[in-house]
Amino acid sequence: SQQGEEDPQALSIQEGENATMNCSYKTSINNLQWYRQNSGRGLVHLILIRSNEREKHSGRLRVTLDTSKKSSSLLITASRAADTASYFCAIGGTGRRALTFGSGTRLQVQP
Amino acid sequence: DTGVSQDPRHKITKRGQNVTFRCDPISEHNRLYWYRQTLGQGPEFLTYFQNEAQLEKSRLLSDRFSAERPKGSFSTLEIQRTEQGDSAMYLCASSSYQTGADEAFFGQGTRLTVV
Repeated sequence: SQQGEEDPQALSIQEGENATMNCSYKTSINNLQWYRQNSGRGLVHLILIRSNEREKHSGRLRVTLDTSKKSSSLLITASRAADTASYFCAIGGTGRRALTFGSGTRLQVQP
Repeated sequence: DTGVSQDPRHKITKRGQNVTFRCDPISEHNRLYWYRQTLGQGPEFLTYFQNEAQLEKSRLLSDRFSAERPKGSFSTLEIQRTEQGDSAMYLCASSSYQTGADEAFFGQGTRLTVV
């Protein structure tokens, strides 16, 4: 079973708009990570936020984490057509090294 | 290119045949993971190695699946007596214990089609 659940499952926006995707999880975490996957390719790590952090930035990416609500959000600002991809949250659980992935949000950025 | 390479990129096999995939992690990474991904889903964990020791296996890893990592370098994943349900993308990832970093670097995957 997949612990992380992303919302929405699919998102279509215009270039220049912001994209927000959410991830909810069920158990305690060590960290939460976001990955990007272009169609048919491997995953690329975007950003990691630890359980004692609340917000993190990397370029056009902003991640928040609310451990009381067991949720995280990924914001991509000023989106570009090249941001079109699937985005996955991955849970780094306590006591485990392997990541548990959600089912992903498919983002389409229209030029 | 993340530095993790997988071979082959694509494999078509007949049901009942055995297949073997290879993963070469980033050389200084001592942790290696195998995941399986089906269409429209996120990756599902299969197994994890730290150096040459296989420390964790998912219940998804039936007795038809076996993974090895001799000498703590490259890894192989073998599927015996393949079934159509084994059709998926098989992803390998590596990470480093020494740096304390938890981010995983993924290969491009091996797409398996069982006909």
